Amino acid sequence: DTAVSQTPKYLVTQMGNDKSIKCEQNLGHDTMYWYKQDSKKFLKIMFSYNNKELIINETVPNRFSPKSPDKAHLNLHINSLELGDSAVYFCASSQGMGETQYFGPGTRLLVL
Amino acid sequence: EDQVTQSPEALRLQEGESSSLNCSYTVSGLRGLFWYRQDPGKGPEFLFTLYSAGEEKEKERLKATLTKKESFLHITAPKPEDSATYLCAVQAGPGGSYIPTFGRGTSLIVHP
Repeated sequence: DTAVSQTPKYLVTQMGNDKSIKCEQNLGHDTMYWYKQDSKKFLKIMFSYNNKELIINETVPNRFSPKSPDKAHLNLHINSLELGDSAVYFCASSQGMGETQYFGPGTRLLVL
Repeated sequence: EDQVTQSPEALRLQEGESSSLNCSYTVSGLRGLFWYRQDPGKGPEFLFTLYSAGEEKEKERLKATLTKKESFLHITAPKPEDSATYLCAVQAGPGGSYIPTFGRGTSLIVHP
Protein backbone atom coordinates (compact mmCIF):
# COMPACT_ATOMS: atom_id res chain seq x y z
CA ASP A 1 0.00 0.00 0.00
CA THR A 2 1.47 3.31 -1.10
CA ALA A 3 1.01 5.94 1.62
CA VAL A 4 1.57 9.07 -0.49
CA SER A 5 1.34 8.73 -4.24
CA GLN A 6 1.91 11.21 -7.05
CA THR A 7 1.11 11.17 -10.75
CA PRO A 8 2.75 11.46 -13.12
CA LYS A 9 6.23 10.34 -12.11
CA TYR A 10 7.80 12.09 -15.07
CA LEU A 11 6.55 15.08 -17.03
CA VAL A 12 8.30 16.53 -20.08
CA THR A 13 6.63 19.51 -21.73
CA GLN A 14 7.19 22.65 -23.75
CA MET A 15 7.49 26.18 -22.42
CA GLY A 16 4.14 27.92 -22.25
CA ASN A 17 2.10 24.76 -21.67
CA ASP A 18 -0.21 24.17 -18.69
CA LYS A 19 0.18 20.98 -16.65
CA SER A 20 -1.14 19.39 -13.47
CA ILE A 21 0.36 17.06 -10.89
CA LYS A 22 -1.85 14.98 -8.63
CA CYS A 23 -1.22 13.74 -5.10
CA GLU A 24 -3.17 11.32 -2.93
CA GLN A 25 -2.53 10.07 0.60
CA ASN A 26 -4.20 7.11 2.31
CA LEU A 27 -2.83 7.82 5.79
CA GLY A 28 -5.89 9.71 7.01
CA HIS A 29 -3.79 12.84 7.53
CA ASP A 30 -5.26 16.33 7.79
CA THR A 31 -2.34 18.31 6.35
CA MET A 32 -0.76 18.12 2.89
CA TYR A 33 2.15 19.96 1.30
CA TRP A 34 3.83 20.73 -2.00
CA TYR A 35 7.60 21.15 -2.17
CA LYS A 36 9.99 22.03 -4.99
CA GLN A 37 13.45 20.43 -4.99
CA ASP A 38 15.93 22.18 -7.25
CA SER A 39 18.94 20.78 -9.05
CA LYS A 40 21.05 21.30 -5.92
CA LYS A 41 18.61 19.13 -3.95
CA PHE A 42 17.32 22.02 -1.82
CA LEU A 43 13.77 21.29 -0.64
CA LYS A 44 11.55 24.40 -0.48
CA ILE A 45 7.96 24.52 0.77
CA MET A 46 5.46 25.94 -1.71
CA PHE A 47 2.01 25.33 -0.26
CA SER A 48 0.30 23.60 2.61
CA TYR A 49 -3.34 22.74 3.20
CA ASN A 50 -4.88 21.77 6.52
CA ASN A 51 -8.37 20.28 6.36
CA LYS A 52 -8.70 21.61 2.81
CA GLU A 53 -7.79 25.15 3.92
CA LEU A 54 -4.71 26.87 2.48
CA ILE A 55 -2.42 27.71 5.40
CA ILE A 56 1.00 28.16 3.80
CA ASN A 57 1.54 30.01 0.55
CA GLU A 58 5.21 30.82 0.15
CA THR A 59 6.54 33.27 -2.41
CA VAL A 60 5.43 31.23 -5.39
CA PRO A 61 4.45 32.77 -8.76
CA ASN A 62 0.69 32.87 -9.19
CA ARG A 63 1.12 30.59 -12.22
CA PHE A 64 1.12 27.84 -9.57
CA SER A 65 -2.29 27.05 -8.15
CA PRO A 66 -2.93 24.29 -5.61
CA LYS A 67 -6.33 22.70 -5.17
CA SER A 68 -7.53 20.35 -2.46
CA PRO A 69 -10.83 18.67 -3.40
CA ASP A 70 -10.78 16.68 -0.15
CA LYS A 71 -8.39 15.91 2.71
CA ALA A 72 -6.82 12.99 0.87
CA HIS A 73 -5.97 14.86 -2.32
CA LEU A 74 -3.85 17.88 -3.18
CA ASN A 75 -3.25 18.80 -6.78
CA LEU A 76 -0.89 21.35 -8.29
CA HIS A 77 -1.70 23.15 -11.52
CA ILE A 78 0.99 25.13 -13.31
CA ASN A 79 0.14 27.64 -16.04
CA SER A 80 2.46 28.98 -18.72
CA LEU A 81 5.38 26.75 -17.80
CA GLU A 82 8.85 28.30 -17.83
CA LEU A 83 12.32 26.75 -18.08
CA GLY A 84 12.96 27.60 -14.43
CA ASP A 85 10.04 25.44 -13.35
CA SER A 86 12.09 22.35 -14.17
CA ALA A 87 12.58 20.55 -10.87
CA VAL A 88 11.32 17.65 -8.80
CA TYR A 89 8.02 18.36 -7.07
CA PHE A 90 7.23 16.43 -3.89
CA CYS A 91 3.92 16.03 -2.16
CA ALA A 92 3.86 15.23 1.56
CA SER A 93 1.29 14.75 4.28
CA SER A 94 1.23 14.90 8.08
CA GLN A 95 -1.26 14.15 10.84
CA GLY A 96 -1.50 17.85 11.62
CA MET A 97 0.44 21.10 11.36
CA GLY A 98 3.98 20.77 12.66
CA GLU A 99 3.86 16.98 12.72
CA THR A 100 6.12 14.46 10.98
CA GLN A 101 5.72 14.57 7.22
CA TYR A 102 5.59 11.60 4.87
CA PHE A 103 6.69 12.22 1.31
CA GLY A 104 5.59 10.92 -2.05
CA PRO A 105 8.03 9.61 -4.68
CA GLY A 106 8.21 12.93 -6.54
CA THR A 107 7.29 14.19 -10.00
CA ARG A 108 10.22 15.05 -12.24
CA LEU A 109 9.22 18.01 -14.40
CA LEU A 110 11.34 19.02 -17.37
CA VAL A 111 10.36 22.11 -19.34
CA LEU A 112 11.94 22.40 -22.80
CA GLU B 1 13.13 33.80 9.63
CA ASP B 2 13.80 30.19 10.54
CA GLN B 3 17.16 28.83 9.37
CA VAL B 4 18.77 25.41 9.14
CA THR B 5 22.44 24.80 8.34
CA GLN B 6 23.79 21.31 7.84
CA SER B 7 27.43 20.29 7.91
CA PRO B 8 29.41 18.86 6.34
CA GLU B 9 27.91 19.13 2.86
CA ALA B 10 29.50 15.83 1.93
CA LEU B 11 31.08 13.04 3.94
CA ARG B 12 32.96 9.96 2.82
CA LEU B 13 33.45 7.16 5.34
CA GLN B 14 34.92 3.70 5.30
CA GLU B 15 32.61 0.93 6.36
CA GLY B 16 32.69 0.75 10.14
CA GLU B 17 34.03 4.30 10.58
CA SER B 18 31.63 6.10 12.93
CA SER B 19 30.88 9.81 12.50
CA SER B 20 28.33 12.55 13.16
CA LEU B 21 26.30 14.92 10.99
CA ASN B 22 25.41 18.35 12.33
CA CYS B 23 22.25 20.42 11.96
CA SER B 24 22.33 23.95 13.41
CA TYR B 25 19.05 25.81 13.57
CA THR B 26 17.33 29.01 14.57
CA VAL B 27 13.57 28.96 14.97
CA SER B 28 10.95 30.92 16.87
CA GLY B 29 9.36 28.35 19.14
CA LEU B 30 10.46 24.91 18.01
CA ARG B 31 7.59 22.53 17.32
CA GLY B 32 9.84 19.74 16.10
CA LEU B 33 13.16 18.90 14.47
CA PHE B 34 13.02 16.20 11.84
CA TRP B 35 15.64 13.99 10.21
CA TYR B 36 15.03 12.40 6.83
CA ARG B 37 17.01 10.16 4.55
CA GLN B 38 16.80 10.65 0.79
CA ASP B 39 18.05 8.10 -1.72
CA PRO B 40 18.70 9.17 -5.33
CA GLY B 41 15.49 9.45 -7.33
CA LYS B 42 13.24 8.96 -4.29
CA GLY B 43 11.32 11.06 -1.82
CA PRO B 44 12.66 11.84 1.66
CA GLU B 45 12.09 9.01 4.12
CA PHE B 46 11.33 9.87 7.73
CA LEU B 47 13.91 8.85 10.33
CA PHE B 48 13.35 10.78 13.58
CA THR B 49 11.37 13.57 15.19
CA LEU B 50 12.82 15.39 18.22
CA TYR B 51 10.71 17.82 20.21
CA SER B 52 12.79 19.16 23.10
CA ALA B 53 16.40 19.75 24.10
CA GLY B 54 17.98 16.68 25.66
CA GLU B 55 15.84 14.26 23.70
CA GLU B 56 17.56 11.33 21.95
CA LYS B 57 16.23 8.69 19.57
CA GLU B 58 17.86 5.60 18.09
CA LYS B 59 17.22 3.30 15.20
CA GLU B 60 19.69 0.60 14.24
CA ARG B 61 23.02 2.37 13.57
CA LEU B 62 21.55 5.88 13.82
CA LYS B 63 21.11 8.06 16.88
CA ALA B 64 19.71 11.58 16.84
CA THR B 65 20.23 14.12 19.61
CA LEU B 66 18.91 17.63 20.18
CA THR B 67 20.09 20.75 22.00
CA LYS B 68 18.61 24.24 21.92
CA LYS B 69 20.81 25.20 18.98
CA GLU B 70 21.67 22.05 17.09
CA SER B 71 21.01 18.42 16.42
CA PHE B 72 23.43 15.62 15.67
CA LEU B 73 22.85 12.45 13.71
CA HIS B 74 25.39 9.91 14.91
CA ILE B 75 26.14 6.99 12.64
CA THR B 76 27.81 4.05 14.35
CA ALA B 77 29.75 1.50 12.29
CA PRO B 78 28.10 2.55 9.01
CA LYS B 79 27.50 0.17 6.13
CA PRO B 80 27.44 0.96 2.39
CA GLU B 81 23.64 0.82 2.47
CA ASP B 82 23.68 3.87 4.75
CA SER B 83 24.89 5.93 1.78
CA ALA B 84 22.28 8.63 1.12
CA THR B 85 21.57 12.32 1.61
CA TYR B 86 20.45 13.13 5.15
CA LEU B 87 18.11 16.09 5.52
CA CYS B 88 17.30 18.05 8.65
CA ALA B 89 14.19 20.22 9.00
CA VAL B 90 12.54 22.37 11.66
CA GLN B 91 9.04 23.61 12.17
CA ALA B 92 7.91 26.37 14.49
CA GLY B 93 4.83 25.63 16.54
CA PRO B 94 1.93 27.59 17.98
CA GLY B 95 2.73 31.28 17.80
CA GLY B 96 5.13 30.54 14.97
CA SER B 97 4.62 30.10 11.28
CA TYR B 98 4.41 26.29 11.03
CA ILE B 99 6.47 26.72 7.86
CA PRO B 100 8.80 23.73 7.47
CA THR B 101 12.39 24.78 6.80
CA PHE B 102 14.87 22.28 5.42
CA GLY B 103 18.65 22.32 5.40
CA ARG B 104 20.60 21.59 2.24
CA GLY B 105 21.51 18.12 3.41
CA THR B 106 24.63 16.07 3.99
CA SER B 107 25.55 13.63 1.25
CA LEU B 108 27.02 10.52 2.88
CA ILE B 109 28.98 7.88 0.99
CA VAL B 110 30.14 4.78 2.85
CA HIS B 111 32.82 2.77 1.07
CA PRO B 112 33.04 -1.00 1.58
